[in-house]
Amino acid sequence: AQSVTQPDIHITVSEGASLELRCNYSYGATPYLFWYVQSPGQGLQLLLKYFSGDTLVQGIKGFEAEFKRSQSSFNLRKPSVHWSDAAEYFCAVGGGQAGTALIFGKGTTLSVSS
Amino acid sequence: DGGITQSPKYLFRKEGQNVTLSCEQNLNHDAMYWYRQDPGQGLRLIYYSQIVNDFQKGDIAEGYSVSREKKESFPLTVTSAQKNPTAFYLCASSIGGYGNNQPQHFGDGTRLSIL
Repeated sequence: AQSVTQPDIHITVSEGASLELRCNYSYGATPYLFWYVQSPGQGLQLLLKYFSGDTLVQGIKGFEAEFKRSQSSFNLRKPSVHWSDAAEYFCAVGGGQAGTALIFGKGTTLSVSS
Repeated sequence: DGGITQSPKYLFRKEGQNVTLSCEQNLNHDAMYWYRQDPGQGLRLIYYSQIVNDFQKGDIAEGYSVSREKKESFPLTVTSAQKNPTAFYLCASSIGGYGNNQPQHFGDGTRLSIL
């Protein structure tokens, strides 16, 4: 069965510092992977997606993620965090049985300190 | 602009009452989804529909019901059988009728509380 694990519930990063949010997935074949961001009281916004090809994908707001098949990981990175990046981040996996929905991780809350 | 509209943004339910959350999309997407979000729990799938007049139960369907009479609309009813309905409810949609390899687009959510 597909599953997604985000090991870090809460991370605090200083403004201007680099960021890496971890995501590990369980899936037998090549997965379709997504990162979403959610501001308080809002819906989820798609940051980036990986379907195939280049394992380093670029997204919006200066984010990127790297697919590592050997580690079953799809970690999200940003070289320099801004205060406005404080939010909750969700990793999701798809590509499984037809007629099913994406599987979401439980999320990582990012706080940015000044 | 195309998007997903959820209404109302805030909703209050009395004990024993059914309430219906609205979700409308103008993205021409075939698939629509309802999630429940509780603190620390992430998103849990309630129901999803891959095509008009068809829908499937998700992981936590008990106490909820849906209909999909139109492509654009996927309302969720929280029935009195749902004993702990207080949560943030998110509606989403995606392209394509089958397979879960498409990104989902989300509405801004409805927060349901018990009076």
